[in-house]
Amino acid sequence: ETGVTQSPTHLIKTRGQQVTLRCSSQSGHNTVSWYQQALGQGPQFIFQYYREEENGRGNFPPRFSGLQFPNYSSELNVNALELDDSALYLCASSISGGEDTGELFFGEGSRLTVL
Amino acid sequence: EDQVTQSPEALRLQEGESSSLNCSYTVSGLRGLFWYRQDPGKGPEFLFTLYSAGEEKEKERLKATLTKKESFLHITAPKPEDSATYLCAVQAIGGSYIPTFGRGTSLIVHP
Repeated sequence: ETGVTQSPTHLIKTRGQQVTLRCSSQSGHNTVSWYQQALGQGPQFIFQYYREEENGRGNFPPRFSGLQFPNYSSELNVNALELDDSALYLCASSISGGEDTGELFFGEGSRLTVL
Repeated sequence: EDQVTQSPEALRLQEGESSSLNCSYTVSGLRGLFWYRQDPGKGPEFLFTLYSAGEEKEKERLKATLTKKESFLHITAPKPEDSATYLCAVQAIGGSYIPTFGRGTSLIVHP
């Protein structure tokens, strides 16, 4: 069983740039959620994708956008980067529908530093 | 709005010194409460799901309990390898079932 994988693991950007983070979900999972975790904080929900459609969004501006592909992998795009966007970005896959246990399977995260 | 408050923020224990972490929650209707363990720079790892008051789950030195207002994660005779941040999350009935996370408790166990 392949777990959740994220890339890149670390990256450094400057203010105003754009970034794309990628996530491959665990085999058999049809839902991907993205979280932002600042240092010393709990994960903050950005959005969730289910069957290629956005299925919920947290309190993040429109410059945070995403995609889910037919194979259930996903991308998180952030435009016009700000210093406060520096954080660990976590992808979590899960099963929605009748088998939904609520359990999330997280990747190792992508550490973004904005200078 | 769902709220999760964890205490203490940080906890230092000696090896073998048992203690408990607290997770207080406010939710319109609880579908599930989750505990995760997170090592530094890594993603959270699922530990337990609790669904109803009175329920208990155990795994090695960890035991999670649930009441109508809070959950406890009891750590019995901890070892240095139990050092991590422990996160609590709640999932409400209805809506999109998106879990809300607390800020976590950072646990350090000294040998």
